[in-house]
Amino acid sequence: DAGVIQSPRHEVTEMGQEVTLRCKPISGHDYLFWYRQTMMRGLELLIYFNNNVPIDDSGMPEDRFSAKMPNASFSTLKIQPSEPRDSAVYFCASKDRDKPYEQYFGPGTRLTVT
Amino acid sequence: EDKVVQSPLSLVVHEGDTVTLNCSYEVTNFRSLLWYKQEKKAPTFLFMLTSSGIEKKSGRLSSILDKKELFSILNITATQTGDSAIYLCAVWASGTYKYIFGTGTRLKVLA
Repeated sequence: DAGVIQSPRHEVTEMGQEVTLRCKPISGHDYLFWYRQTMMRGLELLIYFNNNVPIDDSGMPEDRFSAKMPNASFSTLKIQPSEPRDSAVYFCASKDRDKPYEQYFGPGTRLTVT
Repeated sequence: EDKVVQSPLSLVVHEGDTVTLNCSYEVTNFRSLLWYKQEKKAPTFLFMLTSSGIEKKSGRLSSILDKKELFSILNITATQTGDSAIYLCAVWASGTYKYIFGTGTRLKVLA
């Protein structure tokens, strides 16, 4: 299995631009998580899905952030408009309901907003 | 508000030293505590602890949970340069599949 796949791996954009991060979970996993990691705040959960349905989006910082999961093999996290304080590493993770304790993380997308 | 606090924030040791990393938590409906190792990329799973007083071991790493005092420790004996990483602690609460992560301990092992 290829593991969780994220794209792009690096993104540099200017303030005000729209950014879309993409994630393909491990096949058969029914939970998908989006995290943001910064030095100051550590790893924060933004939103998670179960069977493509958003379950908890209380970590989404504000209306500029949105996430979708149109099918079991694809999810997007969109920031519009982006701001410098959104600069961070964004991780996607997935897990199998039968192994609820173990999340598999993707390699992350390093976002820099100038 | 649920929270997970790790200490120290960073640590520099020499090869062969033993280190102890700490994780304390305040979480409603605690279910399990997990440790992850993060090198240059994504976190990788180390241990899951659910019961107090039962040590989990994997090679030179071991961990234990104290549910009365609400903390866990991760021990690494005979450290090697390959142990250099950020060690993350996360708590999983019942009724949700949400993990709450601490900010991590950054460990650097010098040759």
